[in-house]
Amino acid sequence: IQMTQSPSTLSASVGDRVTITCRAGQSISSWLAWYQQKPGKAPKLLIYDASNLESGVPSRFSGSGSGTEFTLTISSLQPDDFSTYCCQQYFSYPWTFGQGTKVEF
Amino acid sequence: QVQLQESGPGLVKPSETLSLICTVSGGSISSYYWTWIRQPPGKGLEWIGYIYSSGSTNYNPSLKSRVTISVDTSKKQFSLKLASVTAADTAVYHCARSKGTSNYYGDWGQGTLVTVSS
Repeated sequence: IQMTQSPSTLSASVGDRVTITCRAGQSISSWLAWYQQKPGKAPKLLIYDASNLESGVPSRFSGSGSGTEFTLTISSLQPDDFSTYCCQQYFSYPWTFGQGTKVEF
Repeated sequence: QVQLQESGPGLVKPSETLSLICTVSGGSISSYYWTWIRQPPGKGLEWIGYIYSSGSTNYNPSLKSRVTISVDTSKKQFSLKLASVTAADTAVYHCARSKGTSNYYGDWGQGTLVTVSS
């Protein structure tokens, strides 16, 4: 299943509300996760099952959607949030990821 | 807190076999999907496959003919072998652990760059 994220790059400032979209090539119900990636570091799970916040993840992160369209929202961008975000479907094998969205200043 | 650490050669010659090991510390190796995921330079993540703690495996069809994932529970390690590599296999390779028996990943290694070049 192809996963397409938009935009590829997003310019934002501290305090901004940021929304990233992930579209699936077919319905994946709510079987979607979001990760944060920083260069040279392990990816970090943010959201699972489309809208469940992983333990320890700040509440400014939220996820929504079902079927083929999903969004990751950061309600008020913080300096540590400038990073790359990607989605993963786990509805059918092989699990697939979006190409990533880089949030930059 | 579980930690995962990838190890192995950073340079592999074309047509040879890429071999990586993931060492698990601080947690059990039972009842999880132990997974390899890679990221070619400038591209998105690609799921390679997993081995469940029972030994069952599942591979990405695009790599299935070349991939073997195995586990050594006594050493708390699992490994990846990718045969007949080409430059297209150059990537950062991550090992990861599923969140329980779910299919998303709560714990990852930081990754190791493997370059395929003569």
